[in-house]
Amino acid sequence: GAGVSQSPSNKVTEKGKDVELRCDPISGHTALYWYRQSLGQGLEFLIYFQGNSAPDKSGLPSDRFSAERTGGSVSTLTIQRTQQEDSAVYLCASSSHDRPRWEAFFGQGTRLTVV
Amino acid sequence: GEDVEQSLFLSVREGDSSVINCTYTDSSSTYLYWYKQEPGAGLQLLTYIFSNMDMKQDQRLTVLLNKKDKHLSLRIADTQTGDSAIYFCAESFKGTYKYIFGTGTRLKVLA
Repeated sequence: GAGVSQSPSNKVTEKGKDVELRCDPISGHTALYWYRQSLGQGLEFLIYFQGNSAPDKSGLPSDRFSAERTGGSVSTLTIQRTQQEDSAVYLCASSSHDRPRWEAFFGQGTRLTVV
Repeated sequence: GEDVEQSLFLSVREGDSSVINCTYTDSSSTYLYWYKQEPGAGLQLLTYIFSNMDMKQDQRLTVLLNKKDKHLSLRIADTQTGDSAIYFCAESFKGTYKYIFGTGTRLKVLA
């Protein structure tokens, strides 16, 4: 597609429920990133996929968080048993490292509210 | 370890210059970036600098990189109300291609 697409744009869920957030990266981009932006906080790195390599999961805050990337394209971030502290904007980005400056292109984000 | 810090807020008057500062701990970065986030929007690349450069100018924007002090700054000349946004500095690293972002600086431009 023309840009990084995330869905849904907004999600309200009850505490304890599972949620899935979707990211469609720019076609041909081999790298895909998930970040979390909480109110008043910077961008917190969650997970990073690069081609067929094992993902870098070092930023996932707990084992309730997981992500997968199917066929090297679409990615899903899953949060199990959501807690109120999971409320944030979840941003996805993709990048192609054959570009000279390795620019990351961001989606509009999914605003998650846990009530 | 990787850590990128910025001051949280900056307020300037329209027409003045703005300087947004960033300090980082990992000096092995390849590129350093400034991203802009407007209200309700995703991040967009504003400008970038290769790590072996000291300065880059792009119209109203000037990026200064002090590798000795691990300090990056963004100067916006003739700041306009449309420049009001959150500005993030970021590093990327050869080999891992991982981006580390700063805490973001909220710039408010007063008319």
